[in-house]
Amino acid sequence: GAVVSQHPSRVICKSGTSVKIECRSLDFQATTMFWYRQFPKKSLMLMATSNEGSKATYEQGVEKDKFLINHASLTLSTLTVTSAHPEDSSFYICSALHTGTLSYEQYFGPGTRLTVT
Amino acid sequence: EDKVVQSPLSLVVHEGDTVTLNCSYEVTNFRSLLWYKQEKKAPTFLFMLTSSGIEKKSGRLSSILDKKELFSILNITATQTGDSAVYLCAVDQSGTYKYIFGTGTRLKVLA
Repeated sequence: GAVVSQHPSRVICKSGTSVKIECRSLDFQATTMFWYRQFPKKSLMLMATSNEGSKATYEQGVEKDKFLINHASLTLSTLTVTSAHPEDSSFYICSALHTGTLSYEQYFGPGTRLTVT
Repeated sequence: EDKVVQSPLSLVVHEGDTVTLNCSYEVTNFRSLLWYKQEKKAPTFLFMLTSSGIEKKSGRLSSILDKKELFSILNITATQTGDSAVYLCAVDQSGTYKYIFGTGTRLKVLA
């Protein structure tokens, strides 16, 4: 099956700093990627849809200036958490949309655990 | 408002037991329903269901969809400790490519 990687897998940063998380589709091109956030013992919450070559589409309640998304190539999307605060600590998961002739499917990355101290 | 609800929220069973996990949905432009298993990391894919009444099976796991009553069940027979995980149900909305995830069911299988 298709492979999606995320880097880093785990990051600890100080309050006020910015953190960049990368999501790569390794063996297919993805014009669309998704970023999710998951709090402990909660489900995945879609944050935004990342579109190659255009602006990301954010879900209601997600601050676009706080969570900057860049999808500069067909295999890479980045999520930057700006001026991070402890409440931004969470598990961030990306997925890449693999489209076939008659179907499509999201393939998930392994996730990035962010801890803001 | 589109929503996906799973029940129970958590479940503790003993090895060898059979469990049934439920997922109900109210989603516009339904395309398919997906089941995932999540342990420490990102979800791993189990099943994709698009048609009513057709059971999908993989080893001890099986799943079926009822598009009239808007729900799906995931069955696990002869449970093992390795089945302990959070099981997530998601609905794929046609036209948006978005997945709407349910609340998840946390399953713990005791030896």
